[in-house]
Amino acid sequence: DGGITQSPKYLFRKEGQNVTLSCEQNLNHDAMYWYRQDPGQGLRLIYYSQIVNDFQKGDIAEGYSVSREKKESFPLTVTSAQKNPTAFYLCASRASELVSNEQFFGPGTRLTVL
Amino acid sequence: GNSVTQMEGPVTLSEEAFLTINCTYTATGYPSLFWYVQYPGEGLQLLLKATKADDKGSNKGFEATYRKETTSFHLEKGSVQVSDSAVYFCALSETRIGNQFYFGTGTSLTVIP
Repeated sequence: DGGITQSPKYLFRKEGQNVTLSCEQNLNHDAMYWYRQDPGQGLRLIYYSQIVNDFQKGDIAEGYSVSREKKESFPLTVTSAQKNPTAFYLCASRASELVSNEQFFGPGTRLTVL
Repeated sequence: GNSVTQMEGPVTLSEEAFLTINCTYTATGYPSLFWYVQYPGEGLQLLLKATKADDKGSNKGFEATYRKETTSFHLEKGSVQVSDSAVYFCALSETRIGNQFYFGTGTSLTVIP
């Protein structure tokens, strides 16, 4: 089955620690995205990548970092510089730059800072 | 710039009631429009889409028509079920640098038996 996997589903970290969220897709999609979702709010774009070894900042990139060394993988690191990291994080991918193509989403990772 | 505006929630309906969730958009070009659904604790799933003016997207009894003249893409369903309880997001995608999606803030729907 093709799809997007995110791990872990729940993640706890202490203040001051960096943590990396995994996102893997086997859809052979070129573009991948990371979003943050806070309770009762919409999605905010953190980073996106259209091809391997290239990525761009979204609207709320501060305190986050990414890498895109392989087409199928786009991990997100939440650094200690992120002031309020507790949130639900969603990874998505898209087949190409065709406007009509939808984004496919993973199941999400809920990060809680203790 | 690009943006999507959805009606405020939450929305509570009785089973078999008619559903409308309003969505309007602002775009500089000719976007594609999407409705996504999110069940509690899960990611978003595509519900339906429309790629040009006057197109109607439909799936699982839900429909939405791309209205360029009113810049709208309202979601409708004739008879909701308890299983339709979820958060619904309207979104647009337009060809530009970054190939980004623009999402509305989401509308929470609860259907009671």
